[in-house]
Amino acid sequence: ETGVTQTPRHLVMGMTNKKSLKCEQHLGHNAMYWYKQSAKKPLELMFVYSLEERVENNSVPSRFSPECPNSSHLFLHLHTLQPEDSALYLCASSLGAGVVETQYFGPGTRLLVL
Amino acid sequence: DAKTTQPPSMDCAEGRAANLPCNHSTISGNEYVYWYRQIHSQGPQYIIHGLKNNETNEMASLIITEDRKSSTLILPHATLRDTAVYYCIVRVGADKLIFGTGTRLQVFP
Repeated sequence: ETGVTQTPRHLVMGMTNKKSLKCEQHLGHNAMYWYKQSAKKPLELMFVYSLEERVENNSVPSRFSPECPNSSHLFLHLHTLQPEDSALYLCASSLGAGVVETQYFGPGTRLLVL
Repeated sequence: DAKTTQPPSMDCAEGRAANLPCNHSTISGNEYVYWYRQIHSQGPQYIIHGLKNNETNEMASLIITEDRKSSTLILPHATLRDTAVYYCIVRVGADKLIFGTGTRLQVFP
């Protein structure tokens, strides 16, 4: 256990659905991240939050909408997704967003878009 | 793009040392070398990181060459549970961990 939890662990949704992924960290960290891992591809950084402010958005389509209400929680709101959005979505946290901060990952949410 | 080069796969017998190489010939002076691993369908797990000196923790040892252009992660006594994809990462900025395709380590009995 890394101290980062994600729910749900598995999600199947249609292209017209709206769903949300939740991440919670119990480590007292101030930075949180969303990554996407598609089949047989490297992890891709999607969003970075530091002290609840979004500091990075890596050209992610607007059908993915992050929310960070406090430093312990991070959401990824999903709407009108496409089948190619099916992937493992990973949340991570670190003490800060500095150069040498180690990131701790959650177990991921495996998403299937039909 | 990831700034590291790793072999796509390696095998190791259980109980033997697993030595995983990584080339990072364009590393700059203030960039750290990080190692993570990802067991199938789980989130990546931090292993170790270093700047210049060799490092050791309860999981592994990290050997960095003097010119810092390459490094080796050593799992001293590999077990079946060490079967995973191992990522060598050079930090390129304040926030980014850029994952490449890593080395798939298969530990066999």
